[in-house]
Amino acid sequence: EAEVAQSPRYKITEKSQAVAFWCDPISGHATLYWYRQILGQGPELLVQFQDESVVDDSQLPKDRFSAERLKGVDSTLKIQPAELGDSAMYLCASSQTRTNEKLFFGSGTQLSVL
Amino acid sequence: GNSVTQMEGPVTLSEEAFLTINCTYTATGYPSLFWYVQYPGEGLQLLLKATKADDKGSNKGFEATYRKETTSFHLEKGSVQVSDSAVYFCALSDHGSSNTGKLIFGQGTTLQVKP
Repeated sequence: EAEVAQSPRYKITEKSQAVAFWCDPISGHATLYWYRQILGQGPELLVQFQDESVVDDSQLPKDRFSAERLKGVDSTLKIQPAELGDSAMYLCASSQTRTNEKLFFGSGTQLSVL
Repeated sequence: GNSVTQMEGPVTLSEEAFLTINCTYTATGYPSLFWYVQYPGEGLQLLLKATKADDKGSNKGFEATYRKETTSFHLEKGSVQVSDSAVYFCALSDHGSSNTGKLIFGQGTTLQVKP
């Protein structure tokens, strides 16, 4: 069964450093989401792409976070500089279209900022 | 704004016990409602969904009914197994004005089933 691939699985960094996460959605899925899940809370949407275009980044802290999906396939989420409060699980998900409500999630990247 | 509230966990049950995990929501319009499950070390997986009032979603012995009058979508299973131990998330689709299909999640409820 096709899966959403994410890497790295774990990332430890010091505050003020830059970090980047990668996601490869299921082939053919036009819509890609990045969610952040803080320990003990549900996932919260950071950014949503339709193909290569951002359709919702209202919750993305744009002073330090950036996301791109240049060719409308895989995506990178970057944090620069990282802060202690950024420690969380970063989840990538994809769906066939933006009105298709079935999301497929990757296993996530667990970020620890020291 | 739209939101989802789940009962706090952890919920600890013996095998074959009856499970209820409460979920209530606040939303404008008519969102779709979902239950996602997250097994240890894995990503979230869609467990079941309901798209309109009085719809019942079901999968793997789990059921939930979309109750508009009580704004609830409680998850139930008649007889849990050890393999059901996981974190369960209730969610709604936030169509908003741009119909992006964005999901809003509750905080999650951890279920532990003991043999």
